[in-house]
Amino acid sequence: DAGITQSPRYKITETGRQVTLMCHQTWSHSYMFWYRQDLGHGLRLIYYSAAADITDKGEVPDGYVVSRSKTENFPLTLESATRSQTSVYFCASSELQVSGANVLTFGAGSRLTVL
Amino acid sequence: DAKTTQPNSMESNEEEPVHLPCNHSTISGTDYIHWYRQLPSQGPEYVIHGLTSNVNNRMASLAIAEDRKSSTLILHRATLRDAAVYYCILRRPNFGNEKLTFGTGTRLTIIP
Repeated sequence: DAGITQSPRYKITETGRQVTLMCHQTWSHSYMFWYRQDLGHGLRLIYYSAAADITDKGEVPDGYVVSRSKTENFPLTLESATRSQTSVYFCASSELQVSGANVLTFGAGSRLTVL
Repeated sequence: DAKTTQPNSMESNEEEPVHLPCNHSTISGTDYIHWYRQLPSQGPEYVIHGLTSNVNNRMASLAIAEDRKSSTLILHRATLRDAAVYYCILRRPNFGNEKLTFGTGTRLTIIP
């Protein structure tokens, strides 16, 4: 099915463990993004990628690692999870448009709990 | 990106029009105005965007003030499914840097 899918949808882990959240899109969009959403903070950008092998930090990158070896995949890794990383994580993709529309399409989210 | 100001929450009756305001007094001439919404337990979804002229699509209308320092998202006939958080975002086209910065938005409650 066409679209953007995130996995897992729900994950419980322990402090210090490594966790990888997966994001896959079927449109071959150039841009992909990872946001986290916490009560009182809205959506905050963690990392984004303009193309395969091109990534850049967003507003809150500390504690996270990303890679993009293929256009369609953009995994987010928490190398050593902390309780402050308990959050809902959203992946998004977009295609560069001359008009400046930059319409982002979001996944359904991954809810991560770090105990 | 320039800052936007939205009310924290609004209520509206079902089947009535809803006007969601957004102030952006520091908007620059090249900033596009985008609106997204986030339904409960879902990711945000695109609603509409514009630059200077008013815009309509199947979901909503966007009315942009002549000086562009404010805009209004109009839902012509609200339904219960329109209950969501609505985000007003300014986006300056910058090829190679396409990230969007979300604020805290307006939580819209629809009263049956």
